[in-house]
Amino acid sequence: QKEVEQNSGPLSVPEGAIASLNCTYSDRGSQSFFWYRQYSGKSPELIMSIYSNGDKEDGRFTAQLNKASQYVSLLIRDSQPSDSATYLCAAELDSSYKLIFGSGTRLLVRP
Amino acid sequence: DVKVTQSSRYLVKRTGEKVFLECVQDMDHENMFWYRQDPGLGLRLIYFSYDVKMKEKGDIPEGYSVSREKKERFSLILESASTNQTSMYLCASGRNYEQYFGPGTRLTVT
Repeated sequence: QKEVEQNSGPLSVPEGAIASLNCTYSDRGSQSFFWYRQYSGKSPELIMSIYSNGDKEDGRFTAQLNKASQYVSLLIRDSQPSDSATYLCAAELDSSYKLIFGSGTRLLVRP
Repeated sequence: DVKVTQSSRYLVKRTGEKVFLECVQDMDHENMFWYRQDPGLGLRLIYFSYDVKMKEKGDIPEGYSVSREKKERFSLILESASTNQTSMYLCASGRNYEQYFGPGTRLTVT
């Protein structure tokens, strides 16, 4: 059974801190990885995609990929209360266009 | 901006009714997906489609069917709604591996 695993949290950080969200995946064949943000009662919103080992930065967000260790992380710098949401990690499945999603990590940013 | 729309935000249906959920995307995406999301179970794929008139079963297709007659529209059909189909239904579309979600339909079956 191929899986994407995330700590459910909540991860609580003070405003202005760096939030670090992690996920691991089991399918060594996965090449494409995504982070979605989901506010309570809303649908997931794609915020980052990463395809190569290393870091990819977009504003306050940095995605990190380590294929050898099969983990993906998302760093949120200068965290804001508006970043409080559930963050879903997703990986491409079986070299298809399907994604397998983790169960999400709930992030709370304290003012 | 990618726009994926779903026909209803909230829907209440009775057990045994046939239910249609519509999804429309305006980005000419080849791929479209239907998921349901339940607390503690995460996102689960019901059906997907890579092209017009093409459909593939996902992880939980039982009790559902789909239709894709036009590239921009992907419909989910609950043939005979049951209470265990009460859930949030999410449509997504995409090209290659990225998927973009619609706002979701919260369906309650009573």
